[in-house]
Amino acid sequence: NAGVTQTPKFQVLKTGQSMTLQCAQDMNHEYMSWYRQDPGMGLRLIHYSVGAGITDQGEVPNGYNVSRSTTEDFPLRLLSAAPSQTSVYFCASSSGTSGGAEISYEQYFGPGTRLTVT
Amino acid sequence: EDQVTQSPEALRLQEGESSSLNCSYTVSGLRGLFWYRQDPGKGPEFLFTLYSAGEEKEKERLKATLTKKESFLHITAPKPEDSATYLCAVQARGSTLGRLYFGRGTQLTVWP
Repeated sequence: NAGVTQTPKFQVLKTGQSMTLQCAQDMNHEYMSWYRQDPGMGLRLIHYSVGAGITDQGEVPNGYNVSRSTTEDFPLRLLSAAPSQTSVYFCASSSGTSGGAEISYEQYFGPGTRLTVT
Repeated sequence: EDQVTQSPEALRLQEGESSSLNCSYTVSGLRGLFWYRQDPGKGPEFLFTLYSAGEEKEKERLKATLTKKESFLHITAPKPEDSATYLCAVQARGSTLGRLYFGRGTQLTVWP
């Protein structure tokens, strides 16, 4: 298993440009999330998905869009990049149920995308 | 209002000097508490899950414990390769399954 993969590893954008960060997992996990990590701020949840076709906002959703058309993929779109979106972005996935019981499973993280907006 | 607070922010230990990292949480009803290790330039790596007060988990030189309000990550006789940032996260009952709240982490440096 490749686990959680993210592309690209690094990206530089100009203010106002748009782009999509890719995330894929091959573990058949129901739950997928996007976080951003900034110095001194810890990991903050941007958007998450509890299954194909179902997404919801996290703590810092403004300026980002997501969709989940398949179980495997969960792309994050920056609509019009701003310098405040300079950050490291992590995608994560986890399972969520075991025999119908709601058990909190650990999330597996991708290697991250380092984004700079100038 | 932080739901997860980690302390200290940074910790320097000499090799072999045992210590503990703290994670306190304020969520009402804990579904699970997670510890992660993060090396520079990499994604967080899962270490432990704790579900109920009194539970303990061990892995090599690390031992995680849980009470009703906090968790400790005990590091026994650390080595330089244990240097990393350690993250704590919680999932609350009543929140969407899969949604985690993270602390800001403790940056651990172990020098020879």
